[in-house]
Amino acid sequence: SQQGEEDPQALSIQEGENATMNCSYKTSINNLQWYRQNSGRGLVHLILIRSNEREKHSGRLRVTLDTSKKSSSLLITASRAADTASYFCATDEIGNAGNMLTFGGGTRLMVKP
Amino acid sequence: KAGVTQTPRYLIKTRGQQVTLSCSPISGHRSVSWYQQTPGQGLQFLFEYFSETQRNKGNFPGRFSGRQFSNSRSEMNVSTLELGDSALYLCASVTGTSGANEQFFGPGTRLTVL
Repeated sequence: SQQGEEDPQALSIQEGENATMNCSYKTSINNLQWYRQNSGRGLVHLILIRSNEREKHSGRLRVTLDTSKKSSSLLITASRAADTASYFCATDEIGNAGNMLTFGGGTRLMVKP
Repeated sequence: KAGVTQTPRYLIKTRGQQVTLSCSPISGHRSVSWYQQTPGQGLQFLFEYFSETQRNKGNFPGRFSGRQFSNSRSEMNVSTLELGDSALYLCASVTGTSGANEQFFGPGTRLTVL
């Protein structure tokens, strides 16, 4: 089953604008990761934030994590047409052995040139 | 380093048949996980293999099985295919043993069951 919901389910913006996607989850976690998927292909890892971190940056990406609200957000600044993809959050739940990740439903982002 | 490879990329089967999908992880990665992606259920964890042992299993019927070989290559098998098994099957390889590591996904195998 899925860990939680992503909001919005779909987002359409103009190139140059910022895109914000939110992820909510249900259980306690060790870390949360964000992945990108282009057109039903494989997922590409974007960023990992640990449960004791509140914010992390990578290039044009900024991720926040609020464990008290069980939520995370992904901000893509100065978006480009190449950012058009689906974005998923994935959680490593406390108590899980191994590398099992639980994914959210994803946000479909369209960036118009 | 070569990425994760999955074969075949596309597969069409009929109900009742069985299918075997293959995943070759990145060299040196000993953990392989499998996920099923459908429009209705999203991305769901199937199972994980580490050093030829199944370490985790998701909530799927026994028709779904897998194995891992000594070279870390993994296969998953689905027997008695149902229409609802149509999906994109993704495998991921990881270098570490916990969920605190980046997972590298293959391009997926698109299975269509008619």
